[in-house]
Amino acid sequence: DAGVIQSPRHEVTEMGQEVTLRCKPISGHDYLFWYRQTMMRGLELLIYFNNNVPIDDSGMPEDRFSAKMPNASFSTLKIQPSEPRDSAVYFCASRQNPGKDTEAFFGQGTRLTVV
Amino acid sequence: QQQVKQSPQSLIVQKGGISIINCAYENTAFDYFPWYQQFPGKGPALLIAIRPDVSEKKEGRFTISFNKSAKQFSLHIMDSQPGDSATYFCAALKSNYQLIWGAGTKLIIKP
Repeated sequence: DAGVIQSPRHEVTEMGQEVTLRCKPISGHDYLFWYRQTMMRGLELLIYFNNNVPIDDSGMPEDRFSAKMPNASFSTLKIQPSEPRDSAVYFCASRQNPGKDTEAFFGQGTRLTVV
Repeated sequence: QQQVKQSPQSLIVQKGGISIINCAYENTAFDYFPWYQQFPGKGPALLIAIRPDVSEKKEGRFTISFNKSAKQFSLHIMDSQPGDSATYFCAALKSNYQLIWGAGTKLIIKP
C-alpha cells in the first residue's frame, strides 16, 4: 500500500476562495482523521470518521469548514470562504479497527497558504 | 482532564547525549501511550508505544519510562544523533480511539 495519500501537497489561494483538500486512506482502515498543524496551536484534531460516518467534529473551528467521506477510500476537507488565519499544514491520518493500540498512519500533509 | 501536557517545548542536546522528553496526563482511562516522531515536511510517524501494565519499554536507543501512580511517562533517546533531530509528540488514547496529543517538543541534536 502507498500509505495515506493527500493532495495537493501545496495550495496557495486568495482570501475568500474555496479550498478543497483531499485524502485517500490506507485500504482497510476504518478510521480517518483530519488534523491541522500550526506553530502556535500545534496538532489539532478537526474531525474524524468511523466507517465513513463523522463521529466527532467538535474540533472544526467554524462553519466555513466542512468534511465529507463519501466512501471508504476518499475524504475531503473544504474551507469556504478561506481566510489568512486558515494557513496551516493539514494532515489526514487513518487507522485500523479493532485494536486500541493500532498505529495511526499520517499522510504527507497539505500546506495551505491563504493570502 | 483530557489534556496531555508535554515538556519541554524545545530541547538542544549534544551528539551522544541523552534526550529526555516528559509527558503527564490526568485521565486514568487512558490505556495506550504512543510517541510520534515528525521530520520537517512529513507527517508524524509512530516511534514507540507503551501500555500502562509495564513500567518501561525499550526499542534500540529509544526507551519509554512509565509511572502509572504519578500519571507521567517519558521518552529517553540514548546516544542522541543528529538524525534524531525532529519534533516529538506524546499522545494518549481515549476509549473511542481518539488520540489526545501533547504540544510537541522540537529536538535539536548538535554535532
